Amino acid sequence: DAMVIQNPRYQVTQFGKPVTLSCSQTLNHNVMYWYQQKSSQAPKLLFHYYDKDFNNEADTPDNFQSRRPNTSFCFLDIRSPGLGDAAMYLCATSRNRPNEQFFGPGTRLTVL
Amino acid sequence: AQKVTQAQTEISVVEKEDVTLDCVYETRDTTYYLFWYKQPPSGELVFLIRRNSFDEQNEISGRYSWNFQKSTSSFNFTITASQVVDSAVYFCALSEADTGNQFYFGTGTSLTVIP
Repeated sequence: DAMVIQNPRYQVTQFGKPVTLSCSQTLNHNVMYWYQQKSSQAPKLLFHYYDKDFNNEADTPDNFQSRRPNTSFCFLDIRSPGLGDAAMYLCATSRNRPNEQFFGPGTRLTVL
Repeated sequence: AQKVTQAQTEISVVEKEDVTLDCVYETRDTTYYLFWYKQPPSGELVFLIRRNSFDEQNEISGRYSWNFQKSTSSFNFTITASQVVDSAVYFCALSEADTGNQFYFGTGTSLTVIP
């Protein structure tokens, strides 16, 4: 089945220690998104790639970076995680915009 | 201003009851898209429906139905004969043609179906 895969499902890191979350997709969608979702809140868009074009949301902290080496993979790098970065990170894909987005299972990040 | 409002934060119903989740949106675009997603305790957001602004037909899919009314800027979701497996957080979202990359999510409604 075509799907969006996120690894790892759970990630524990230390305050200030860089961490990378990964997302892959078999849907062959050209748009990939990263969202941050904190407890009992709606997902918040961090950035997205439309093909190779990177689009950063205005309020996304500089601490968050992303890479998309090819159509199938996208990475979220948090350079110096703070306690406030503990959250669920959701990857999503869509075929063009503004079509429905398909989400992965998420990576729950804990910062100690 | 909040573009998507889900006024019901939490709802509890007894199994087999019908329940309606409200969604009110705000946009100046004439072309826009509305979505509903389900987020069960496992965390994955599951796509339920997409509706564009030119299609006001209501839709039914099994026990699920959606009522889109442009006159009141509402896109409500009804679950008929609710089941325990329907327990989840439900998000309504808006995407505008002018800023198609952005999904404006509502704050979600947490539905608990009591057996």
